[in-house]
Amino acid sequence: NAGVTQTPKFRVLKTGQSMTLLCAQDMNHEYMYWYRQDPGMGLRLIHYSVGEGTTAKGEVPDGYNVSRLKKQNFLLGLESAAPSQTSVYFCASSYSRWQGNQPQHFGDGTRLSIL
Amino acid sequence: GQQLNQSPQSMFIQEGEDVSMNCTSSSIFNTWLWYKQDPGEGPVLLIALYKAGELTSNGRLTAQFGITRKDSFLNISASIPSDVGIYFCAGRDNQGGKLIFGQGTELSVKP
Repeated sequence: NAGVTQTPKFRVLKTGQSMTLLCAQDMNHEYMYWYRQDPGMGLRLIHYSVGEGTTAKGEVPDGYNVSRLKKQNFLLGLESAAPSQTSVYFCASSYSRWQGNQPQHFGDGTRLSIL
Repeated sequence: GQQLNQSPQSMFIQEGEDVSMNCTSSSIFNTWLWYKQDPGEGPVLLIALYKAGELTSNGRLTAQFGITRKDSFLNISASIPSDVGIYFCAGRDNQGGKLIFGQGTELSVKP
């Protein structure tokens, strides 16, 4: 029972490089989310998706893009990485809020360093 | 925008002691969640609260949804070393289902 799986777990990039973080969930959840976690700031929502083919901006969307081509996958892209994007990135998923306010389930995170 | 203040930021306690942490918000939430995060892992849900005044327990953990819907607390009784980690509160309003997270409380337990 995998739950939410994030790949890669670690990555080091140079400023200006691009990359894509992959999130996959096997729980048939409608909603998926990308957060970043920085020391002393908790988790901040980057982008989220309420269903296949839809995406929306969260609290800190600048510098990131996302795509939800398949229900089970949610991709987070950095087009031109900047040192300020050094962080730990978490993906989460949940059933829709109309299904009993189901809580979010988190992956184990991707630790990204931008040099 | 919505903000959550979680306190304390860190706690250093002796094994066997009870722990209390809380979150307050600037606006009303319909759901309060408490998560625990171990090093190198994602947050794991501990307790979910859906009604104002609700008091819910999960083993040695007890959490309450404040009557004003702007606060929640988490208590841990008789702490043990494996309670070490970062505890996050999260609140959700009824617009879009997005969670707002507190800054976290880092708990250290001395055997």
